[in-house]
Amino acid sequence: QVQLVESGGGVVQPGRSLRLSCAASGFTFTTYAMYWVRQPPGKGLEWVAFISYDGREEFYSDSVRGRFTISRDNSKNTLYLQMNSLRGEDTAVYYCARDSVEFSPYANMDVWGKGNTVTVSS
Amino acid sequence: EKVMTQSPATLSVSPGERATLSCRASQSVSSNLAWYQQKPGQAPRLLIYGASTRATGIPARFSGSGSGTEFTLTISSLQSEDFAIYYCQQYTQWPLTFGGGTKVEI
Repeated sequence: QVQLVESGGGVVQPGRSLRLSCAASGFTFTTYAMYWVRQPPGKGLEWVAFISYDGREEFYSDSVRGRFTISRDNSKNTLYLQMNSLRGEDTAVYYCARDSVEFSPYANMDVWGKGNTVTVSS
Repeated sequence: EKVMTQSPATLSVSPGERATLSCRASQSVSSNLAWYQQKPGQAPRLLIYGASTRATGIPARFSGSGSGTEFTLTISSLQSEDFAIYYCQQYTQWPLTFGGGTKVEI
């Protein structure tokens, strides 16, 4: 079935780096744009980053631009989020999500992973 | 940045009742508006896109309306499994932005 599985989260000190992965299965990964969305503890949803289906286009929220990098390996059906210079306010559950339309971005998300927790603390 | 404001923050309803949730955009987002449902400990689930089109597998009791800056999600007869937090999201412009959510509780 269609599935996204995140991994790579954990506890990290401020200023350090972490890379999240999102393994896709059950659909043609190479034809869908992808997103990272995060949710701080007890708070709402915040869009973090976007990458087009072919990896040629990327967009970031102001809060992470210059520190985070989204990428994808279409040969491995895997999405990544490289997070550098982490701060306490980056503490959140990170979700990867699929665009609802092939080849778009249409920019809403119809398939979500279960989420992966990142805690930034000394 | 388009700011999305949801009201009320909490909606107390009984099973079988109708629930009406509001979402307002600071500037027009046309019909580029989605609604998501999130239950505790779970990922969000897409309910509505294009302001009024139900996503695959979403029951007919969920309906969306509106365009421009004012949107509504209506749950016609609340079932026990509908008690959750609901978020709206605009996708007319980067950055994508979500509303703060409406918690539907008993």
